[in-house]
Amino acid sequence: QKEVEQNSGPLSVPEGAIASLNCTYSDRVSQSFFWYRQYSGKSPELIMSIYSNGDKEDGRFTAQLNKASQYVSLLIRDSQPSDSATYLCAVNPRGNNRKLIWGLGTSLAVNP
Amino acid sequence: GAVVSQHPSWVICKSGTSVKIECRSLDFQATTMFWYRQFPKQSLMLMATSNEGSKATYEQGVEKDKFLINHASLTLSTLTVTSAHPEDSSFYICSARDPLLPMRGNYGYTFGSGTRLTVV
Repeated sequence: QKEVEQNSGPLSVPEGAIASLNCTYSDRVSQSFFWYRQYSGKSPELIMSIYSNGDKEDGRFTAQLNKASQYVSLLIRDSQPSDSATYLCAVNPRGNNRKLIWGLGTSLAVNP
Repeated sequence: GAVVSQHPSWVICKSGTSVKIECRSLDFQATTMFWYRQFPKQSLMLMATSNEGSKATYEQGVEKDKFLINHASLTLSTLTVTSAHPEDSSFYICSARDPLLPMRGNYGYTFGSGTRLTVV
């Protein structure tokens, strides 16, 4: 079992819809979780971080964490074509300034 | 805050030559930096963890003599690809986190803009 798993996609949604991206992780004691967006040919940029169970909202983005199920998700409301990118889930298993464990990413296409 | 600057953004070199990539933390002191490599349509692959004032920690399968990492100051880490070959052509990205920022809050790991290396 991979440490951090994501559906590779592509996930295709119409403009204005909600895009739902999912990520599961294997290390039960993981402490912090990140969603990054990566456009083709560019480096990743941080969208959201989440540490506690529940939802965390920032603009059109909502991160959801369920530690019991070892599951973290990212919802994008009112999806725009500019949201089309690869979304990477990353987990920091032990906190502090440690290396992240990365998923392979989910490709999202938002169709006008 | 937490800006990471990476240079050059792209480089073309001849096979057998060496290439140095710089990664600077502009507004914080980075005791640790991470070096990644990414091939087209693939995910990030962590190559090594660069520690200021000590030897880098390389991931399994990464040749430390080929990918030399120097983290001589709290704001600069360099990756040198020695005797580069076409198979080393890739997108190299550094990343760091301001250790003074709280873990809580939206403070993740910041990435440099990346270096696209092409070896001909």
